[in-house]
Amino acid sequence: DAKTTQPTSMDCAEGRAANLPCNHSTISGNEYVYWYRQIHSQGPQYIIHGLKNNETNEMASLIITEDRKSSTLILPHATLRDTAVYYCIARYGNKLVFGAGTILRVKS
Amino acid sequence: DTAVSQTPKYLVTQMGNDKSIKCEQNLGHDTMYWYKQDSKKFLKIMFSYNNKELIINETVPNRFSPKSPDKAHLNLHINSLELGDSAVYFCASSQERLAGGREQFFGPGTRLTVL
Repeated sequence: DAKTTQPTSMDCAEGRAANLPCNHSTISGNEYVYWYRQIHSQGPQYIIHGLKNNETNEMASLIITEDRKSSTLILPHATLRDTAVYYCIARYGNKLVFGAGTILRVKS
Repeated sequence: DTAVSQTPKYLVTQMGNDKSIKCEQNLGHDTMYWYKQDSKKFLKIMFSYNNKELIINETVPNRFSPKSPDKAHLNLHINSLELGDSAVYFCASSQERLAGGREQFFGPGTRLTVL
């Protein structure tokens, strides 16, 4: 079973930051938090992952709370092409357990 | 230059038939996976192979038989297809020997429709 909970859907205006929350209160100390997204009919795409520290790459930033019970994925300047289902996953070993994800709709 | 490729992209077949889906990765990864995404859009892992050795088998019916002829290929053979097998099947790969987190790269998916 997925160890994460996410809102079902969110809207974001084009050009604004999209902040996608994720709760993972039962995550263990050695489980990484991964974010993937799935654009309609395509395979999931890796975005970012972290363990304790905040992370940033060319796609997004990941902010993990100090107690590791929640995290936020930030897309700094959302575009229409960022409309997708975003999955927050707690991973141990090589097993990814996908939940229902958050449908992000970026609107012009 | 596709990293993870699958064939065919679409597969329509009758109940009771046997079919195969092929997957190839050119990333030099040592681990490959099969996932199933059903009509409710939930993605679930089915199998994982590391260096041709089965390491994850998620209580999938034994009508499903993965085969890994080498590290770069992981094929999925399905016997006696049933209506409930209709889904999108995704192949993925990763390099598991890296320390820390390891991202998985997914293929474009194979949409299987059983009539």
